Amino acid sequence: DAKTTQPNSMESNEEEPVHLPCNHSTISGTDYIHWYRQLPSQGPEYVIHGLTSNVNNRMASLAIAEDRKSSTLILHRATLRDAAVYYCILRSMDSNYQLIWGAGTKLIIKP
Amino acid sequence: DVKVTQSSRYLVKRTGEKVFLECVQDMDHENMFWYRQDPGLGLRLIYFSYDVKMKEKGDIPEGYSVSREKKERFSLILESASTNQTSMYLCASSLAGGSLTYEQYFGPGTRLTVT
Repeated sequence: DAKTTQPNSMESNEEEPVHLPCNHSTISGTDYIHWYRQLPSQGPEYVIHGLTSNVNNRMASLAIAEDRKSSTLILHRATLRDAAVYYCILRSMDSNYQLIWGAGTKLIIKP
Repeated sequence: DVKVTQSSRYLVKRTGEKVFLECVQDMDHENMFWYRQDPGLGLRLIYFSYDVKMKEKGDIPEGYSVSREKKERFSLILESASTNQTSMYLCASSLAGGSLTYEQYFGPGTRLTVT
């Protein structure tokens, strides 16, 4: 299965942008890049996904490198409520459409 | 909004007991999933179901079984609970089909402790 690599943790100041990196050097041409986050004591929630082009939604932006071997989740203005573990996941036909979860990045927001 | 509910937030059971964890979704999703989450290991798929009475094993099915008699309900069964099954259990649902874009919606989780 294709795998992703993320930093264990990151810190950011409140109301500043946050860039969460993800490496996926073994990505195949048909793999989608998904991001989920898990707030404390809650189940994960979907954030965004993309294939090749950069994507924006109300929660975040996803910037995908031209070679697709890395991507960056961008929170434009972090709040304390964005403190969570962020998971970068490749979704592959080879894995029967399942989500293969890594350890994620724990994002700490400082007031 | 999609809502996925799980029968308990916290559960304490004794070794050898039979344990039922129930999950209900209200969005008519075809797919339902059971994961367990342990520190440092992320989420691991136990079983998933793509239709009523249909199921497939995930990565770690040993010691578990599942039941899906109705579309909205997916149960995880621990036939004889053991201490190594102490974990957070998460249920999720999603639309079916071959799309790689469908998101999964998660319940709040059940923290099971087996003593």
